[in-house]
Amino acid sequence: AQSVTQLDSQVPVFEEAPVELRCNYSSSVSVYLFWYVQYPNQGLQLLLKYLSGSTLVKSINGFEAEFNKSQTSFHLRKPSVHISDTAEYFCAVSPGAAGNKLTFGGGTRVLVKP
Amino acid sequence: GAVVSQHPSRVICKSGTSVKIECRSLDFQATTMFWYRQFPKQSLMLMATSNEGSKATYEQGVEKDKFLINHASLTLSTLTVTSAHPEDSSFYICSASRGRTGELFFGEGSRLTVL
Repeated sequence: AQSVTQLDSQVPVFEEAPVELRCNYSSSVSVYLFWYVQYPNQGLQLLLKYLSGSTLVKSINGFEAEFNKSQTSFHLRKPSVHISDTAEYFCAVSPGAAGNKLTFGGGTRVLVKP
Repeated sequence: GAVVSQHPSRVICKSGTSVKIECRSLDFQATTMFWYRQFPKQSLMLMATSNEGSKATYEQGVEKDKFLINHASLTLSTLTVTSAHPEDSSFYICSASRGRTGELFFGEGSRLTVL
């Protein structure tokens, strides 16, 4: 079984400031890690994922996440946020690289203020 | 990227009626689709896994007679909420698995409000 903990339910941040969203997981088997973003009243969009290789993964819109096996963490960061980054962010794990059978964390709501 | 579409995006119904939500993979064939439920300000909860041509596999605690899932074709899965009650009001999201890698793509979600 797997579980995912997102320590912060809400993170207010000013525009152009950095943000970090914390994610810790536990699992009895090897898992793959994902971050999804959900804009209001929309479905989820894959932001980035870690399957293997370099522990630092990046998205096309400036987000990055680092897999830390010893700390069982996969924190998400962005050095400078935009108003458009206001959304809900979900960390998830899956026993399969495809991301099937996802177990989601509780989500972190990012509110970017001007 | 691949497109998964849900319909309707919003539906309001009276208590006791049944509501059908469709999930379509528009540009790929999906042998497996997943249905999630999301309560306000909470995370997604996997309800069931739907495989084309076979019965859905429900997660523990999900009433299969309440939430009927049909995956009749490689591009369509439907979720029917039978005899809906106000506590069934929620945001329902589907995802579809594409190709050998099984990469997941999510629909836009369907918001059900039961009066």
